[in-house]
Amino acid sequence: QTVVTQEPSLTVSPGGTVTLTCASSTGAVTSGYYPNWFQQKPGQAPRALIYSTSNKHSWTPARFSGSLLGGKAALTLSGVQPEDEAEYYCLLYYGGSVVFGGGTKLTVL
Amino acid sequence: QVQLQESGPGLVKPSQTLSLTCTVSGGSISSGGYYWSWIRQHPGKGLEWIGYIYYSGSTYYNPSLKSRVTISVDTSKNQFSLKLSSVTAADTAVYYCARAWLHPGLSLKFDYWGQGTLVTVSS
Repeated sequence: QTVVTQEPSLTVSPGGTVTLTCASSTGAVTSGYYPNWFQQKPGQAPRALIYSTSNKHSWTPARFSGSLLGGKAALTLSGVQPEDEAEYYCLLYYGGSVVFGGGTKLTVL
Repeated sequence: QVQLQESGPGLVKPSQTLSLTCTVSGGSISSGGYYWSWIRQHPGKGLEWIGYIYYSGSTYYNPSLKSRVTISVDTSKNQFSLKLSSVTAADTAVYYCARAWLHPGLSLKFDYWGQGTLVTVSS
């Protein structure tokens, strides 16, 4: 069973920068895993932020960026805003099927 | 803009089959490259991919649910559906439908999601 691992929780100060990561139990994450990132706030459906590693949707704020970092997929928030407090999920592609990470609860404090 | 809306019973008895439909508006379910997905979220937990279907009927399922899941598509109604058999309390969750564009070797893009529907399994 493939497992995708994210940090359970992170805390960042308003205006700061934070990087969330997404690791695969199968080894290093490459662009071929097409990492996607989602934001979910309480009581809401997830909202897509990043696809295929680093591509933004038309609605994705500029302060969000995606990359590969040290064998993991990464989501960086620069100039964090209070409204960025949420749960963040990554998703990786495994040749047909996909697997979500367990999520990172980001606190802005 | 594409919109997705889940519908179906909010309460299902144990051992029965959970059935949900996702209606797509603002775009055609037959558009090439798009896979139509079901995802669920147990109360207070993370997201779990259930499976997806192409308009031609080609499907991919989560191996852990594959024996109980059927996803089908009705292009005439611009809808796709989920059936999950032999449900237990462990299948109580919010069920979401979503759209994904997949081009193997190039890209995977999840974009639009439905608002989700809570399904409770209880007698």
